[in-house]
Amino acid sequence: EVQLVQSGAEVKKPGESLKISCKGSGYSFTSYWIGWVRQMPGKGLEWMGIIYPGDSDTRYSPSFQGQVTISADKSISTAYLQWSSLKASDTAMYYCARRQKTYYGMDVWGQGTTVTVSS
Amino acid sequence: EIVLTQSPGTLSLSPGERATLSCRASQSVSSSYLAWYQQKPGQAPRLLIYGASSRATGIPDRFSGSGSGTDFTLTISRLEPEDFAVYYCQQYGSSPRWTFGQGTKVEIK
Repeated sequence: EVQLVQSGAEVKKPGESLKISCKGSGYSFTSYWIGWVRQMPGKGLEWMGIIYPGDSDTRYSPSFQGQVTISADKSISTAYLQWSSLKASDTAMYYCARRQKTYYGMDVWGQGTTVTVSS
Repeated sequence: EIVLTQSPGTLSLSPGERATLSCRASQSVSSSYLAWYQQKPGQAPRLLIYGASSRATGIPDRFSGSGSGTDFTLTISRLEPEDFAVYYCQQYGSSPRWTFGQGTKVEIK
């Protein structure tokens, strides 16, 4: 079964760092782009960025460039989203998703990771 | 940046009725780059339609997509109880690479 499994919920304080993960299985992890999507409480979907684990080519939305870092470790089929200094406004659900091979939809989604940033 | 505007914001319909959801782009979008998703409360989004009109794996044929250029439509021919959810369109283009519409909620009337 093709799936993406994300790390568990996080509760952090402002200023702390965080790295959440997304592990792929059931397919060739290095052959598909993996994207990250933010959903703030009660709001819509926002595309953050995407990485190609095969060569770590990474693209960011201008809204998130410099705010987060996307990376991948192909040896363990895992993509990451990290923050160096969290803000309360980073409180959201974060999804990873696989881009289709030949089209541009996101066809496999992780279950989401809730990040809560509160003092 | 291409902006996607979905309408209506909320659609109140009864099971068995037809739902027509609109997604309008601020600039022309290649049909290959337009997708639709369904999201139910507490769940991750699910890909319904890609390439503007192709159903994703396992999606019932009551869901259909159409359109080109700046105007795209998702149609649900006969609403089933499990179809009441929020629907998003998404396009791929220049930076930012992907953008989403703000969503249309289909609720039970």
